Amino acid sequence: GNSVTQMEGPVTLSEEAFLTINCTYTATGYPSLFWYVQYPGEGLQLLLKATKADDKGSNKGFEATYRKETTSFHLEKGSVQVSDSAVYFCALSDLGGGKLIFGQGTELSVKP
Amino acid sequence: DSGVTQTPKHLITATGQRVTLRCSPRSGDLSVYWYQQSLDQGLQFLIQYYNGEERAKGNILERFSAQQFPDLHSELNLSSLELGDSALYFCASSGASGSSYEQYFGPGTRLTVT
Repeated sequence: GNSVTQMEGPVTLSEEAFLTINCTYTATGYPSLFWYVQYPGEGLQLLLKATKADDKGSNKGFEATYRKETTSFHLEKGSVQVSDSAVYFCALSDLGGGKLIFGQGTELSVKP
Repeated sequence: DSGVTQTPKHLITATGQRVTLRCSPRSGDLSVYWYQQSLDQGLQFLIQYYNGEERAKGNILERFSAQQFPDLHSELNLSSLELGDSALYFCASSGASGSSYEQYFGPGTRLTVT
């Protein structure tokens, strides 16, 4: 069945460092791919999405490119801030009704 | 603020009891999804409704049920509660049913079973 695998956390970075969180998926067909972010004590917020191969999703300085050949959707940001500290979830959307299948989440901690 | 509301925010109850979690989707959204977030299982899809009808089922226990009402709000009913049902329950909504539609999540209901 469909699945998503993320790099394990926690990831600890200094402010202004470069961020990469790896995400790979297994799916039949070409699902849509998403990154969600969960701040402490809050629900999930959609960060970005891509719906087809080679699409690049971007928002708030974060980017991810849908790579069909490597079945990946890695999240990147050039310069992280303390306020980016959160848990990041990679997800794919089932081709039928659209239920989301999530990776296990990667906790990011950014130190000043 | 995603526009999706969930009540209550916290719920503490005893084993064997029954609870109802409520979700109001974003204005105009027809599709409602329920997810469970726990430390051991992560985020798991439970069930989806679209315009009042059940559309998809995931890893939902037989003790759990849901429905979507004509005004599009949804309720998740959990009965014969066990300690292992303690988790965060999220509701999400989207404009339609399909893989390209993004889902917007509510703040969640934290259920603690003692």
